[in-house]
Amino acid sequence: QVHLVESGGGVVQPGTSLRLSCVASGFTFSNYAVHWVRQPPGKGLECVAVISFDGSYDHYPDSVKGRFTISRDNSKNTFYLQMDSLRSEDTAIYYCAKDHFQRDNWGSLDSWGQGTLVTVSS
Amino acid sequence: EIVLTQSPATLSLSPGERATLSCRASQSVSSYLAWYQQKPGQAPRLLIYDASNRATGIPARFSGSGSGTDFTLTISSLDPDDFALYYCQQRSDWPITFGQGTRLEIK
Repeated sequence: QVHLVESGGGVVQPGTSLRLSCVASGFTFSNYAVHWVRQPPGKGLECVAVISFDGSYDHYPDSVKGRFTISRDNSKNTFYLQMDSLRSEDTAIYYCAKDHFQRDNWGSLDSWGQGTLVTVSS
Repeated sequence: EIVLTQSPATLSLSPGERATLSCRASQSVSSYLAWYQQKPGQAPRLLIYDASNRATGIPARFSGSGSGTDFTLTISSLDPDDFALYYCQQRSDWPITFGQGTRLEIK
């Protein structure tokens, strides 16, 4: 059974940094791309980062490019989201998610963590 | 960036009725479209991927159709558990984008 558990959320001041972690289990972690998706309170979904199965490439939308960095450690079945220069508009629930497809085919998210709340406020 | 527009914003139906939700893309996404269900306080759940393929464990009353720019999620006979928020999402081009959602509420 696939299981994803996020940690690292909290309340931080604008301009500071935070690192989220997601521990995965129940599948061959090194075969799948993984994602971070956020949802501001009462609003819709935005994919903020994806990393390939082997960590060789990653993608970010313009809203976080240059500020957020996704990484993974396949030996620990864990991936991360480093968030720098945080802004109030980054306030959201952050979900980690596993891709449905293996290896270089990616983009449908079939398993999600429970989410961790990040609040950016002075 | 590919923009997905869902309609209607809210759909009010009764259990047992048929629900039809629409998603229109600002440019062709081929068949690279998924549908998710989200209930309050929960993470989204994948229902349909690549336009018409049901994800593991999804009941047969859920079906997806369409290609190019116009897509439909159909729930053939609404169960009380189906009243929730539904999002479409494309994987044709980066960044992955989601629609703004359709709220399916009990009439």
